[in-house]
Amino acid sequence: QKEVEQNSGPLSVPEGAIASLNCTYSDRVSQSFFWYRQYSGKSPELIMSIYSNGDKEDGRFTAQLNKASQYVSLLIRDSQPSDSATYLCAASSGGSYIPTFGRGTSLIVHP
Amino acid sequence: GAGVSQSPSNKVTEKGKDVELRCDPISGHTALYWYRQSLGQGLEFLIYFQGNSAPDKSGLPSDRFSAERTGGSVSTLTIQRTQQEDSAVYLCASSLGLGPEAFFGQGTRLTVV
Repeated sequence: QKEVEQNSGPLSVPEGAIASLNCTYSDRVSQSFFWYRQYSGKSPELIMSIYSNGDKEDGRFTAQLNKASQYVSLLIRDSQPSDSATYLCAASSGGSYIPTFGRGTSLIVHP
Repeated sequence: GAGVSQSPSNKVTEKGKDVELRCDPISGHTALYWYRQSLGQGLEFLIYFQGNSAPDKSGLPSDRFSAERTGGSVSTLTIQRTQQEDSAVYLCASSLGLGPEAFFGQGTRLTVV
């Protein structure tokens, strides 16, 4: 059974700090990894995708992938109260391209 | 349209009734997914369509659930004889094809009373 694990949180950080969100996955052949942001009552919104080992930066967001450790993370620099949401990690493999989602980590950025 | 469109946004139905949920994917996207999200829970995969291939129905929870995709575009998820445990937000997503990012619609909130 393919699983994607995330700490449910909540993760609470002060405004301006770096928020670090982590995710592990069980399927070793996973090739594609995604981070979605979901505000309460809204649908998931794609914010980052990563396919290769290493870091990928997009504005205040950095995704990190370590396939040997089966570990994906998302760093949010200069966190803002508007970043407060649930962050969903997803992974898909070459065998089945259907993304498997974690349960999400709740992030609270307090002023 | 610019994004994935789902209708209706909200649906309240009586237990035992059938419901149909519609999804209109992003133009040109060949892959279409249905997920379900219950209150406070993660996304549960239901069914996946890719082009003209046979759909992957491995996530459908019971034979009361079915889905079709006509002409490789619009999809309809049908739930027969609805039960209270079917109450959830039903999310549709589409992507260009195998692997790339999936984009979600706004969802249909289904309430079975």
